Amino acid sequence: GQNIDQPTEMTATEGAIVQINCTYQTSGFNGLFWYQQHAGEAPTFLSYNVLDGLEEKGRFSSFLSRSKGYSYLLLKELQMKDSASYLCAVMGSSNTGKLIFGQGTTLQVKP
Amino acid sequence: AAGVIQSPRHLIKEKRETATLKCYPIPRHDTVYWYQQGPGQDPQFLISFYEKMQSDKGSIPDRFSAQQFSDYHSELNMSSLELGDSALYFCASSKTSGIEQYFGPGTRLTVT
Repeated sequence: GQNIDQPTEMTATEGAIVQINCTYQTSGFNGLFWYQQHAGEAPTFLSYNVLDGLEEKGRFSSFLSRSKGYSYLLLKELQMKDSASYLCAVMGSSNTGKLIFGQGTTLQVKP
Repeated sequence: AAGVIQSPRHLIKEKRETATLKCYPIPRHDTVYWYQQGPGQDPQFLISFYEKMQSDKGSIPDRFSAQQFSDYHSELNMSSLELGDSALYFCASSKTSGIEQYFGPGTRLTVT
C-alpha cells in the first residue's frame, strides 16, 4: 500500500528554524516533493529529491534518505508569511508523474 | 510568466446535476493532472493525460470522465453530483511527466 506520514501541526517562532518530517512507504519511488499551500490556494513547488542527501534552496532545504523512507523540510529564518501547510508528496512506481500526497503539516509562525 | 488556468473558479451545483471543469495548461506543457482536495484533506490524484491520451487513473468515480483536447486543454466532467463531491479541484501541468508540476488556482465546487 501507499502511506505517507507527516505531523499534523507545528508551531514555531519568527526568525527560528523548523524541521518538518515525512516518512513514506510506497510501491516504487521516483522522487519526493515538498509543496507549500496557503489555505484555499494552489500548492506551490518547493523542492524535489530523488537521490539521498540535502538539497538547499535559499531559506528552504530538503533531505532524503531512501533506505529509511524518510525526508525532512528545513525552513530557516522563519517569516510570518511561512505560515501555511507543507505537503510531502511521492512519485511512485508509475512513470506518469502521479503524485501521492501526505496529509500535510500546518505550520503556524508566531511573532 | 503564464500559469495554469482553471475555470470556473467557483461553482455551485445541486445534487444530481452535472458540472464541467476546465483546465488550460502552461504553453508547451503536454501533461495534465487532476486532483481533488476535500476540506482539510490532502490532494487526491484523479486522472492524468499525456499528449491527449489518458496516462494514469486514480480514485476517480465512474460518474466522472475527463479528456484532453488537441490544444492540450482538459475538461473534467462530473455527473450525478453528490454532496461528497464538494471539494477543491486542482489541475496541474508539466512537460512530459516532468519533475515539477505547476498547479492551477483550483475550482471550488460546492454541491447543495
